Amino acid sequence: DAGVTQSPTHLIKTRGQQVTLRCSPKSGHDTVSWYQQALGQGPQFIFQYYEEEERQRGNFPDRFSGHQFPNYSSELNVNALLLGDSALYLCASSRGLAGEETQYFGPGTRLLVL
Amino acid sequence: AQSVSQHNHHVILSEAASLELGCNYSYGGTVNLFWYVQYPGQHLQLLLKYFSGDPLVKGIKGFEAEFIKSKFSFNLRKPSVQWSDTAEYFCAVTPGGSQGNLIFGKGTKLSVKP
Repeated sequence: DAGVTQSPTHLIKTRGQQVTLRCSPKSGHDTVSWYQQALGQGPQFIFQYYEEEERQRGNFPDRFSGHQFPNYSSELNVNALLLGDSALYLCASSRGLAGEETQYFGPGTRLLVL
Repeated sequence: AQSVSQHNHHVILSEAASLELGCNYSYGGTVNLFWYVQYPGQHLQLLLKYFSGDPLVKGIKGFEAEFIKSKFSFNLRKPSVQWSDTAEYFCAVTPGGSQGNLIFGKGTKLSVKP
């Protein structure tokens, strides 16, 4: 049973560029959430996708957008990259939207913006 | 705004010592509470969670946590730590019974000396 997978593992971009990160949820999961973890900080919630719609969103600008596909996989897009976007981006999957369900995290994509 | 505070940034213990990591949250309503662990080189894993019922929750690897509603706290404990417990520990909350917007603390790094 494959867990949550993310690609790529590392990425280097320059300011102003755009980036797309990908996530495949754990088998049987239909909900994907994205988090940003800056160095020395805890993860911060970006947004959550369920049934191909954004269901909840954290305090992130519109430069951050996402998508969920019919197979439940998801993408995180960041436009007009800033130096401050350098972070570890985590994807978490779960079943449905019930609060009792555990979120399972992937290994993350480490983004460096130069 | 809702927040989670973890009191210790870095804790250093010898093997067999007892562990208690503090976690306080700021939210007046119903909450779901979690402790996640990140072992070196690995991704975030759930240690334990509380949704309702017995406020003393037992998790994996001998960890437990107690929810004290009057103190807005959810401290993590282990009676005797092992070298393999060296990791970073994150407390997280989802307010209002909803899922997806996990609010994390900044984490506590635990180093266990053999």
